[in-house]
Amino acid sequence: DTAVSQTPKYLVTQMGNDKSIKCEQNLGHDTMYWYKQDSKKFLKIMFSYNNKELIINETVPNRFSPKSPDKAHLNLHINSLELGDSAVYFCASSQDLAGGAGVHEQFFGPGTRLTVL
Amino acid sequence: GENVEQHPSTLSVQEGDSAVIKCTYSDSASNYFPWYKQELGKRPQLIIDIRSNVGEKKDQRIAVTLNKTAKHFSLHITETQPEDSAVYFCAASYDNYGQNFVFGPGTRLSVLP
Repeated sequence: DTAVSQTPKYLVTQMGNDKSIKCEQNLGHDTMYWYKQDSKKFLKIMFSYNNKELIINETVPNRFSPKSPDKAHLNLHINSLELGDSAVYFCASSQDLAGGAGVHEQFFGPGTRLTVL
Repeated sequence: GENVEQHPSTLSVQEGDSAVIKCTYSDSASNYFPWYKQELGKRPQLIIDIRSNVGEKKDQRIAVTLNKTAKHFSLHITETQPEDSAVYFCAASYDNYGQNFVFGPGTRLSVLP
């Protein structure tokens, strides 16, 4: 009965590889996000998607690309992985009311710990 | 853009004492201020939030105060318990079709038995 799920939970890979992290939410939310949490625990938003449109794109390298096949999924693709990409990546979702009628709680997934060797 | 600062970065209190964590924000347009708790190895979870039309909100042992003029808000935990030990994040956002959350750097709270 998980609300926001991510796979895999752990990902260990070599520099230069391409990898994907999947995220699914069953809450019926229409906005999904990707966050990066580094070793110092800083939590920074990377992307958000609403109705399949990218509406926030922080200054992340273009090696990172979010892909949303439908409203319930937002996957994160990372090309040419670098050592500095090692972090925990959290997916989140929220219900964004039309017309900005109110900001709502974000529900986070369990996180994916990415280690680049 | 919005910048959120948070203090202290670490906080140790004795069980039963109170804990206070303070945040400041820079964008006067921000009007939604949630607090998230992240236990070790787990996901962040919302514990309380406040909107700019309210100065204070309380939920059992947790309360949040907001001073819009000074652009700061605080989390107060009373009668702390060991299970309150976690990293706490404040965040600021504005009512916008996009929910641009900016999180503070976090406070690691340790409640000592």
